Amino acid sequence: EAGVAQSPRYKIIEKRQSVAFWCNPISGHATLYWYQQILGQGPKLLIQFQNNGVVDDSQLPKDRFSAERLKGVDSTLKIQPAKLEDSAVYLCASSLGRGGEGLSYEQYFGPGTRLTVT
Amino acid sequence: AQTVTQSQPEMSVQEAETVTLSCTYDTSENNYYLFWYKQPPSRQMILVIRQEAYKQQNATENRFSVNFQKAAKSFSLKISDSQLGDTAMYFCAFMKPYSEKLTFGTGTRLTIIP
Repeated sequence: EAGVAQSPRYKIIEKRQSVAFWCNPISGHATLYWYQQILGQGPKLLIQFQNNGVVDDSQLPKDRFSAERLKGVDSTLKIQPAKLEDSAVYLCASSLGRGGEGLSYEQYFGPGTRLTVT
Repeated sequence: AQTVTQSQPEMSVQEAETVTLSCTYDTSENNYYLFWYKQPPSRQMILVIRQEAYKQQNATENRFSVNFQKAAKSFSLKISDSQLGDTAMYFCAFMKPYSEKLTFGTGTRLTIIP
């Protein structure tokens, strides 16, 4: 079974430029997540999709970040314009679906994209 | 809001020894899930072990086991017979039911010394 794919693996841009990351989840996984991991910290959820609908984007800086999941499969995360503090690893994860009481689906993570903003 | 605290930024242990990583959390929920994830230098997060709060029995997965103390809100990971491949960042994480949203701690960098 293929894992979660992300591209690019590395990206260096100057501040105020724009950048986009791509994620292809595991086939059949309905839920997709984007996390931001700043150096020395644990990942922080930016946005969660259930199929092609947004479930939680409460921590997404909407003035500069946007994400979409067309057709409920692949997803892109965009930053425009980038700031120095956006330097981080952006992790994509997917799971079968949303769990409930007594049920939780494992999240599978991709290798991440390391973004450096200069 | 839930918080997860890992008080050991770095640890090292000799190969084949046993090591315990600490994690505490704060929540008002009664039912929830707790996880330990491993992140090697390749950056890919891998689930090590999970615990459901309503289960009193501590979870085990081969060389990995947890000590879950619900009243103390403590969730430590024990790695027995440590191997060089265990070298990685280890993150403790919390999840409420129905949310699927993971809240991570700041991580512990574990180094296994040959």
